[in-house]
Amino acid sequence: NAGVTQTPKFQVLKTGQSMTLQCAQDMNHNSMYWYRQDPGMGLRLIYYSASEGTTDKGEVPNGYNVSRLNKREFSLRLESAAPSQTSVYFCASSGPRQGRNIQYFGAGTRLSVL
Amino acid sequence: AQKITQTQPGMFVQEKEAVTLDCTYDTSDPSYGLFWYKQPSSGEMIFLIYQGSYDQQNATEGRYSLNFQKARKSANLVISASQLGDSAMYFCAMREGHAGGTSYGKLTFGQGTILTVHP
Repeated sequence: NAGVTQTPKFQVLKTGQSMTLQCAQDMNHNSMYWYRQDPGMGLRLIYYSASEGTTDKGEVPNGYNVSRLNKREFSLRLESAAPSQTSVYFCASSGPRQGRNIQYFGAGTRLSVL
Repeated sequence: AQKITQTQPGMFVQEKEAVTLDCTYDTSDPSYGLFWYKQPSSGEMIFLIYQGSYDQQNATEGRYSLNFQKARKSANLVISASQLGDSAMYFCAMREGHAGGTSYGKLTFGQGTILTVHP
């Protein structure tokens, strides 16, 4: 009963380093999302994938790339990390629950860029 | 203009009492959904309750109910019989668009309200 699984849970990077945040869901959902959460703010959408094979930019896509590897997996890549990307990153997937499309979240990845 | 506004940065409630967390929204789309999520100190986002724009009745899920006033564009969360474990950050969020559209599913979040339940 895993739901949405994110790895890693914590990461510290130096400015300019790259890394990939992994996300997998086992609920057979079509749509997946990446959000970031900064102090004092709600979550903001970085990228989303409405279905396997498609990705689209959200509100704050600059500095990120994504890959929808298959229906289960949606990864977020930081090619050259910057201190402004220090944040908590959430992956989510959405699917039907009692006839409603509900979004479920992973536990988050806490990223610090020094 | 902000699409989701939560005007209460922090709220306090006594254990076993009810509390209302405010949320107003802004959209011109006739089809939308409103969500509430709970984020405890451990950090995960927990889905609480959903209200669709065409729903005739206010949503309820256990101790959670949503006071949906469409004309006023408000979707306040009511927690009855508060428990210590209810202490957390609460986010209101909105999804615009209809099923089948490419925007379907994307959420816009408010800034959140920190709820503290006192014993």
